[in-house]
Amino acid sequence: GAGVSQSPSNKVTEKGKDVELRCDPISGHTALYWYRQSLGQGLEFLIYFQGNSAPDKSGLPSDRFSAERTGGSVSTLTIQRTQQEDSAVYLCASSLVRQKRYQETQYFGPGTRLLVL
Amino acid sequence: DQQVKQNSPSLSVQEGRISILNCDYTNSMFDYFLWYKKYPAEGPTFLISISSIKDKNEDGRFTVFLNKSAKHLSLHIVPSQPGDSAVYFCAASFHSGGGADGLTFGKGTHLIIQP
Repeated sequence: GAGVSQSPSNKVTEKGKDVELRCDPISGHTALYWYRQSLGQGLEFLIYFQGNSAPDKSGLPSDRFSAERTGGSVSTLTIQRTQQEDSAVYLCASSLVRQKRYQETQYFGPGTRLLVL
Repeated sequence: DQQVKQNSPSLSVQEGRISILNCDYTNSMFDYFLWYKKYPAEGPTFLISISSIKDKNEDGRFTVFLNKSAKHLSLHIVPSQPGDSAVYFCAASFHSGGGADGLTFGKGTHLIIQP
């Protein structure tokens, strides 16, 4: 497919367990972003990657959250020792970053719905 | 502290009429604005964008207006169609050093088009 894909689409876990969420960006997109949307809230920026590096980690809510990207493509977001407040939809987006400004439209995947019991 | 605000959680418009969705922002460093549309159980879909060097951008039935002095932007949809029923998110970003940045989103407005 040509779009951003995410897996799993739904995840139910017990409090205290670790979870891994996966994102496959659009082929050729060098920038990758993670967001989350809690119930009744807007999208909250978590982290972005330019290639394999993450120059901006300011959005990660705690040190239980980490993300990596390998090969400039697939990214995983890991949440350790999950808490109930981590329940949200986790969205991934990618963009084709160019030298010219204003051409960084982000394209989103369908999201992973995480429920922590 | 919300930097992008969509003060109307929902909006109901009759089919064929104009839908106007509003968005306010507080950070004067924002220089690029986007609207996304989201259906249930799907990720947001890019709709239209505008840079701060413009005050209007039009794409078919969708027009975005930017008023920098008021820190306000709006999305006009005309004529409204049933398929436009969705949640609309306003988003903003600023570029430091020309790199990509995370977008700052509003909480969304649920647009309902009534037949």
